[in-house]
Amino acid sequence: EPEVTQTPSHQVTQMGQEVILRCVPISNHLYFYWYRQILGQKVEFLVSFYNNEISEKSEIFDDQFSVERPDGSNFTLKIRSTKLEDSAMYFCASSIVKRGYNEQFFGPGTRLTVL
Amino acid sequence: AQTVTQSQPEMSVQEAETVTLSCTYDTSESNYYLFWYKQPPSRQMILVIRQEAYKQQNATENRFSVNFQKAAKSFSLKISDSQLGDTAMYFCAFMTDDYKLSFGAGTTVTVRA
Repeated sequence: EPEVTQTPSHQVTQMGQEVILRCVPISNHLYFYWYRQILGQKVEFLVSFYNNEISEKSEIFDDQFSVERPDGSNFTLKIRSTKLEDSAMYFCASSIVKRGYNEQFFGPGTRLTVL
Repeated sequence: AQTVTQSQPEMSVQEAETVTLSCTYDTSESNYYLFWYKQPPSRQMILVIRQEAYKQQNATENRFSVNFQKAAKSFSLKISDSQLGDTAMYFCAFMTDDYKLSFGAGTTVTVRA
């Protein structure tokens, strides 16, 4: 059964450094999402992406964040200058269509630790 | 803005028994969708069950069923005949036509042998 995959599973970085979190969505899916979950808190929507453009973004998704689909298979989330409060679990998700309800399939997550 | 509230941080149930998880939500939208996701200790979220708001009939998936009360904005999940593999965090989630999920805080379910 096809799955969303994410790499790395755990990333440790120093404050101020740039990180890139990678996701491989399910191959025939067209819509991609990033969510994050700070330890002990709710899963929060960050951004949705379709046709090489951001469709929606939350207020969390400020100028230090960017997303890209560089090669038709990967979907990346870049954090330019990490802060301590960026420490969280980051989940990628993908869905096939946007009509009606569409099941979003989640990856296993990348745990980002900012020191 | 939509809010989703799960008032039970933790639930414990004996194997083969039934457990019900509560979820309430707040929205002014008329067209929306509700979901329960399961997040086992491996941390990959899996869709358990979904409900379209325009459908009056409660959704059922094997041992999982929901009690959807639209007027009360309530969407509870019942797990029947609980199994050890049901041990996980369960998230209630809400989606409108903007296609972004809003999650509750989650309920940790522990199934005891």
